[in-house]
Amino acid sequence: QKEVEQNSGPLSVPEGAIASLNCTYSDRVSQSFFWYRQYSGKSPELIMSIYSNGDKEDGRFTAQLNKASQYVSLLIRDSQPSDSATYLCAVNGGNYGGATNKLIFGTGTLLAVQP
Amino acid sequence: DGGITQSPKYLFRKEGQNVTLSCEQNLNHDAMYWYRQDPGQGLRLIYYSQIVNDFQKGDIAEGYSVSREKKESFPLTVTSAQKNPTAFYLCASIRTGRWDEAFFGQGTRLTVV
Repeated sequence: QKEVEQNSGPLSVPEGAIASLNCTYSDRVSQSFFWYRQYSGKSPELIMSIYSNGDKEDGRFTAQLNKASQYVSLLIRDSQPSDSATYLCAVNGGNYGGATNKLIFGTGTLLAVQP
Repeated sequence: DGGITQSPKYLFRKEGQNVTLSCEQNLNHDAMYWYRQDPGQGLRLIYYSQIVNDFQKGDIAEGYSVSREKKESFPLTVTSAQKNPTAFYLCASIRTGRWDEAFFGQGTRLTVV
């Protein structure tokens, strides 16, 4: 089982729709969860962090965390063509490979917002 | 302005050469990380350091070496033992503690010629 898993996509949504991105992680003791956006050829940009169960909203973005299910998601409301990018899920604070504080990334989901 | 600076942006290496990628941060972050990204892939952890003069191997450390002599600096050397070094290399720094968000430099694209 991969430590952090995401569907690779592409996930295609029409402009104005809600995009839903999902991520699961393997270590139950993980503490910190992040969503990064990466445009082609650029470095990742942090868009959301979440540390407690429940929802966290920031503008058009909502992160959802369910530690019991080891599941974290990102919702993007009113999707715009400029949201088209790869979205990376990252997890920290677990015990991956016997080491703590390894910030582990999923392989990313490619989102395409169609005008 | 505070941030993370990676240099160079592009780097070409001949077969059998060692090359060093620079990463400097002025965010006063304790932890620094190096990742490798191949086309269409996620980020794979090479090495990380949580304090000065200490570092740990990540998942793909073979063929790489690092040092952490100063809090601000975490250079990565790609040695000749790394058989397939062509990739996009990303450095990140993290403020350790409760709110441990990672911020990235702009990356170095290494190509073997």
